Amino acid sequence: EDQVTQSPEALRLQEGESSSLNCSYTVSGLRGLFWYRQDPGKGPEFLFTLYSAGEEKEKERLKATLTKKESFLHITAPKPEDSATYLCAVQASGGSYIPTFGRGTSLIVHP
Amino acid sequence: DTGVSQNPRHKITKRGQNVTFRCDPISEHNRLYWYRQTLGQGPEFLTYFQNEAQLEKSRLLSDRFSAERPKGSFSTLEIQRTEQGDSAMYLCASSLDQGGYGYTFGSGTRLTVV
Repeated sequence: EDQVTQSPEALRLQEGESSSLNCSYTVSGLRGLFWYRQDPGKGPEFLFTLYSAGEEKEKERLKATLTKKESFLHITAPKPEDSATYLCAVQASGGSYIPTFGRGTSLIVHP
Repeated sequence: DTGVSQNPRHKITKRGQNVTFRCDPISEHNRLYWYRQTLGQGPEFLTYFQNEAQLEKSRLLSDRFSAERPKGSFSTLEIQRTEQGDSAMYLCASSLDQGGYGYTFGSGTRLTVV
């Protein structure tokens, strides 16, 4: 069974204090790993797809990286508007490709 | 196209009543998904459609839940004889094919069963 574990569950940062979120996964053949951002009361918003170990994607202050067992979402010099829950999901090769989501990391950035 | 639209945004119902939610996906997307999310958890897969065909249902989906996507356009999710444990956010998402570029989610329907 596919498993996705995100850590930490919650993270508080000061504005400008860089950090990383972790997503470790167990899947029988990775087709894709996704990062989403979710604001309170809203649906997840797609950020990145990563397909193979060593791949990196960047968007503004966010950079996602992938190894064979985990992915990191690096947040550089965060701002209060980066406060949200960040969700990781893995898509296994074969079958219907329905992603399995982790529980997310709740990020709060204080001004 | 303004994205994935879900109605209603909020629904409060009494235990034992039936409820129905609607999802309008992005028009060119052929896949439509229903997820359920409770506080502090990630989205949990319920079912998905490719065009009008319902191709997979989670084994966690009880017989009280049914979904349709007539003509491969909008979709409805019905919950019969609601229970307090059904209280959750019900999310709809759509994608083109297998979603390699990610899913587009709606804002969800918040169901409260009292």
